Amino acid sequence: SQQGEEDPQALSIQEGENATMNCSYKTSINNLQWYRQNSGRGLVHLILIRSNEREKHSGRLRVTLDTSKKSSSLLITASRAADTASYFCAKYFNKFYFGSGTKLNVKP
Amino acid sequence: EAGVAQSPRYKIIEKRQSVAFWCNPISGHATLYWYQQILGQGPKLLIQFQNNGVVDDSQLPKDRFSAERLKGVDSTLKIQPAKLEDSAVYLCASSLHFQGSDFLYEQYFGPGTRLTVT
Repeated sequence: SQQGEEDPQALSIQEGENATMNCSYKTSINNLQWYRQNSGRGLVHLILIRSNEREKHSGRLRVTLDTSKKSSSLLITASRAADTASYFCAKYFNKFYFGSGTKLNVKP
Repeated sequence: EAGVAQSPRYKIIEKRQSVAFWCNPISGHATLYWYQQILGQGPKLLIQFQNNGVVDDSQLPKDRFSAERLKGVDSTLKIQPAKLEDSAVYLCASSLHFQGSDFLYEQYFGPGTRLTVT
């Protein structure tokens, strides 16, 4: 599939721990975006990283991009119960491709 | 600012019936997207509009799905006739700008329409 995938498919951690999710893709991209989806707020944009960037931060979020390995990772530090959601990366080349997501469960 | 509006929020129909979904993007957003999200999967892009022109509809099942964006603002997505496998959440999103391959801007998603085909 041109989409690539996120891994792991599911992740369960305790509040306060860090969570790392990975995203792979198969062709060149212009940019990659991470989104969060929960039942309360739907799909929400978290962070965008361009193909010429290697790392980006936003609050407790850190995103890295390795174009040589065609992969990206999302790190959530000091997780909270409110971070419980599905996380998707969206790769853009000609059109947007979303992976199947990582389900994160943060236990209080 | 007001978000992306979609209606209806839920719809239950029988197979072979028709259904239409409506989307009102954020004011000033030139680009509008329709996605299909099947339970347990990520969103799949069906069609992308730039103003009132179609940028990409390569994954739209054109034998049964149609979409339009009159006057470059509101959009409707129609399914006729519906099949059982069309059961999904249909998401509309908009973004400020899209320019060729230099796409930069984040997408804002609406709450979605949950369609159940029985």
